[in-house]
Amino acid sequence: KNQVEQSPQSLIILEGKNCTLQCNYTVSPFSNLRWYKQDTGRGPVSLTIMTFSENTKSNGRYTATLDADTKQSSLHITASQLSDSASYICVVRSTGTASKLTFGTGTRLQVTL
Amino acid sequence: NAGVTQTPKFQVLKTGQSMTLQCAQDMNHNSMYWYRQDPGMGLRLIYYSASEGTTDKGEVPNGYNVSRLNKREFSLRLESAAPSQTSVYFCASREDRPSSYNSPLHFGNGTRLTVT
Repeated sequence: KNQVEQSPQSLIILEGKNCTLQCNYTVSPFSNLRWYKQDTGRGPVSLTIMTFSENTKSNGRYTATLDADTKQSSLHITASQLSDSASYICVVRSTGTASKLTFGTGTRLQVTL
Repeated sequence: NAGVTQTPKFQVLKTGQSMTLQCAQDMNHNSMYWYRQDPGMGLRLIYYSASEGTTDKGEVPNGYNVSRLNKREFSLRLESAAPSQTSVYFCASREDRPSSYNSPLHFGNGTRLTVT
């Protein structure tokens, strides 16, 4: 069964600190992995996508990594800001005629003063 | 740009009542989706529409019906609401052509439904 597991479930950090969120998946065959940010009371918004051939990709203070061999991805947030407080959802897409998305349950990040 | 617009934002129903959740997108996307989001669970697909005039069941379709009214609008109907349908419902759209294989889902801001 295709699964996406995220850790930690929740995280509290001080403003200005860095943090790393993890995503492990068993989805096969793999097409791509996307990270979404979901603010409270809003819909998810795409942050970045990782395809099979990509190891690292940055989007401002967000850096995503992908290890397709171990089926792991991480999202690193540098110099956190209060506006980074949100849930971060990892979504993996399988390929082929039955292509589908499998969603993780998310990591809830709270950035405090 | 409005993107994906959902109405209503909040709704409380009694068991057995019916209602329709509305969704419209202004991005000219072919594909539209309905998801539900429950605490401790990932988003789950209820129904989707790959193009105007077509709809297909997702992972959790029981108790729901959908209508793809035109390219812009995709509605979700609960014919007889049950407490198990208490959830946050998200509509999404996506550009779905071979040249846009890796395009993201664009979500609305959700409808928070409580069934008592």
